[in-house]
Amino acid sequence: KQEVTQIPAALSVPEGENLVLNCSFTDSAIYNLQWFRQDPGKGLTSLLLIQSSQREQTSGRLNASLDKSSGRSTLYIAASQPGDSATYLCAVRSNDMRFGAGTRLTVKP
Amino acid sequence: EAQVTQNPRYLITVTGKKLTVTCSQNMNHEYMSWYRQDPGLGLRQIYYSMNVEVTDKGDVPEGYKVSRKEKRNFPLILESPSPNQTSLYFCASGEGSTEAFFGQGTRLTVV
Repeated sequence: KQEVTQIPAALSVPEGENLVLNCSFTDSAIYNLQWFRQDPGKGLTSLLLIQSSQREQTSGRLNASLDKSSGRSTLYIAASQPGDSATYLCAVRSNDMRFGAGTRLTVKP
Repeated sequence: EAQVTQNPRYLITVTGKKLTVTCSQNMNHEYMSWYRQDPGLGLRQIYYSMNVEVTDKGDVPEGYKVSRKEKRNFPLILESPSPNQTSLYFCASGEGSTEAFFGQGTRLTVV
């Protein structure tokens, strides 16, 4: 059974810092990995999708990497802003789709 | 517009009264799934379906039923809801290696 782990569970940084969120998974036989953002009590917003054959994807200040052989993905956020404060979830898609517990990010002005 | 639609968005019900949360997608996806989200526990999978008439248990299937009679719909049925099923529920759909789409969520309270 696929296990997905995200560290750290929570992160607080001052505005403007670059930061990295980590996601690891136990079974490398995946279709893709997707990063989501979730604001409190709200739905999931898809940020980036990395196919199993890809190494990274970029969107604006966000860059996600994937090392399938080692079972790891990182989400890099450049020049963080208070509006980036949210919980970030990674989800791994194989036969089904499994989530990590998330990293709660706080960016302080 | 690609969409996963859940209904209702909010529901307060009483213990033991059967209810159904509907989920519909307009992308002809084969894969659909239900999750519940509770504080501190993240998103846990309840049931998933790889295609019509094919369903499998996730991590927390107890107290829930699903059916997949047609591709676009994947309803979640609570035959006898209990207070421990109070949660935020999400439905998702996807296709192979493509992006997964999520519904807006259903906030269920069982009193």
